[in-house]
Amino acid sequence: GAGVSQSPSNKVTEKGKDVELRCDPISGHTALYWYRQRLGQGLEFLIYFQGNSAPDKSGLPSDRFSAERTGESVSTLTIQRTQQEDSAVYLCASSLRGLAGVLGSYEQYFGPGTRLTVT
Amino acid sequence: GEDVEQSLFLSVREGDSSVINCTYTDSSSTYLYWYKQEPGAGLQLLTYIFSNMDMKQDQRLTVLLNKKDKHLSLRIADTQTGDSAIYFCAERGSQGNLIFGKGTKLSVKP
Repeated sequence: GAGVSQSPSNKVTEKGKDVELRCDPISGHTALYWYRQRLGQGLEFLIYFQGNSAPDKSGLPSDRFSAERTGESVSTLTIQRTQQEDSAVYLCASSLRGLAGVLGSYEQYFGPGTRLTVT
Repeated sequence: GEDVEQSLFLSVREGDSSVINCTYTDSSSTYLYWYKQEPGAGLQLLTYIFSNMDMKQDQRLTVLLNKKDKHLSLRIADTQTGDSAIYFCAERGSQGNLIFGKGTKLSVKP
């Protein structure tokens, strides 16, 4: 596709329920990132996938958060037993991840985000 | 640790220049970025600068980098009401992830 897409655009869920958020990266982009943006805050890194390597999960805030990616395509972010503090916009980004030193190879292109509200 | 700081608000008059400042902590950052976020919209990459440069100009945008002081600035010439948005400074972390500041909300008064 032309850009990074995410679904759903909005999700309202009850506290304690599980949610799944989806990201479709730009075709051919090997790197995929998930970020969280709480109201009035900057973006907080959650997890990073690069090709078929093991993901970097260092930003996940708790073991209720997990993410998967199939090859170099779609990724899903799952939040189990949602809490009110999980309410945020969840943003996905992808980048080409070309050869080191190639200008622009690490530019990250962001999707529109999923606004999650936990009631 | 890695951290990016920027002031939260800036207000200018239409036609004036805007200067948004940012400081970062990781001296090994290879790329530094400016993103724009308009209300209800996703993040848009405005420009980036490679760490071996000290200035980059792109139409109305000028990025200045002072590596010694770890200071990055974005200057918008002839600011228009359509430039009203939140501007995020970001540095590239060790794993390729971006480390963002909290954003500077730019308000442009007619």
